[in-house]
Amino acid sequence: AQSVTQLGSHVSVSEGALVLLRCNYSSSVPPYLFWYVQYPNQGLQLLLKYTSAATLVKGINGFEAEFKKSETSFHLTKPSAHMSDAAEYFCAVIFPSGGGADGLTFGKGTHLIIQP
Amino acid sequence: DAGITQSPRYKITETGRQVTLMCHQTWSHSYMFWYRQDLGHGLRLIYYSAAADITDKGEVSDGYVVSRSKTENFPLTLESATRSQTSVYFCASTPQVGLGDTDTQYFGPGTRLTVL
Repeated sequence: AQSVTQLGSHVSVSEGALVLLRCNYSSSVPPYLFWYVQYPNQGLQLLLKYTSAATLVKGINGFEAEFKKSETSFHLTKPSAHMSDAAEYFCAVIFPSGGGADGLTFGKGTHLIIQP
Repeated sequence: DAGITQSPRYKITETGRQVTLMCHQTWSHSYMFWYRQDLGHGLRLIYYSAAADITDKGEVSDGYVVSRSKTENFPLTLESATRSQTSVYFCASTPQVGLGDTDTQYFGPGTRLTVL
């Protein structure tokens, strides 16, 4: 079955430290991959997306993600965490076999905590 | 302002009542989606629409009804609200699907619904 998994419901890092949020998908065909961020009491904002072009994708706010087909992963990273990065992060997938019209499939989310 | 709006932002209702959540977008996007967000589940697709008068069920459509008489509006109705429908509801839109680069979904701010 096609699915997307985010490892770790909560991740805590110190300000200035590396941020690594993990996302793996299960699909025989590489999907389109997205990372969204949700700040408290707000909607979702697109951070970045992979759509079969470059495997290293740069997004907003200094985030980037690398698509690794062999590992079926799309982990999100940021070299140096800032207090303003504290939020909920969602990995989401569109599986091409579904045509995309059936919407995004979301991971359960990772709550990023930044320690001062 | 252009964008995607939802109303109301907060709603409290009672079991058995009918409730309609509104979604309006000004981009003339063809595709619109409704998701619900619950702790531990991420976001799950309720219904989507490919164009006016074309709608289809998502993963968790039981108890919900949608309509789309105009491209810009996509109301979601809970015909007889239940406590299990207490959730945060997000509307999203995208111009087209299945083409990768244009698959980004844009989300509204959400409606927090409580069913007592």
